[in-house]
Amino acid sequence: EAQVTQNPRYLITVTGKKLTVTCSQNMNHEYMSWYRQDPGLGLRQIYYSMNVEVTDKGDVPEGYKVSRKEKRNFPLILESPSPNQTSLYFCASSVTSGSYNEQFFGPGTRLTVL
Amino acid sequence: EDQVTQSPEALRLQEGESSSLNCSYTVSGLRGLFWYRQDPGKGPEFLFTLYSAGEEKEKERLKATLTKKESFLHITAPKPEDSATYLCAVPHFGNEKLTFGTGTRLTIIP
Repeated sequence: EAQVTQNPRYLITVTGKKLTVTCSQNMNHEYMSWYRQDPGLGLRQIYYSMNVEVTDKGDVPEGYKVSRKEKRNFPLILESPSPNQTSLYFCASSVTSGSYNEQFFGPGTRLTVL
Repeated sequence: EDQVTQSPEALRLQEGESSSLNCSYTVSGLRGLFWYRQDPGKGPEFLFTLYSAGEEKEKERLKATLTKKESFLHITAPKPEDSATYLCAVPHFGNEKLTFGTGTRLTIIP
């Protein structure tokens, strides 16, 4: 089944404790992206990647890191999480350009930073 | 700065009562506009892409239209299963960023 998977689905952590949210897709897509969703602010793009080793900032990249060492994986790293990063996070992938083609979204990761 | 505004924020309709959702945008060099549907607790699901003013696309009870300044998602004779949040998104000119609106939460009452 074609899908985007994220792990973990739920995470509660404390301020400053480094964490990684994994994202994997099995559709051989070139484009992958991370979003956060907050009430009243909608879905905002954090980072995106056009292909392996090619990443770029979205609208809200501060406090986040990404890497794209393999085509199928695009982990989101929070080096020192803070409470304002409490949010619902979505990973998405697209065949090529995410701004021309539909994106397939993962199920989401709900992160709480205490 | 590119902006995407959706209205209304929430809409409650009786089953069978048709209506429209609006997505207005201010971007330089429109390259297209996306509509997604999001059910509670799930990731958005793709509905439509519109690439140029005047274009229309249909899927079941939904029809999306695009002008130079806004897009409408028309819903005809909706059913309770059409209840969801509907999101529109616009790509930035010159890069691969995508800006989403805050969505319209649609509730269809049986």
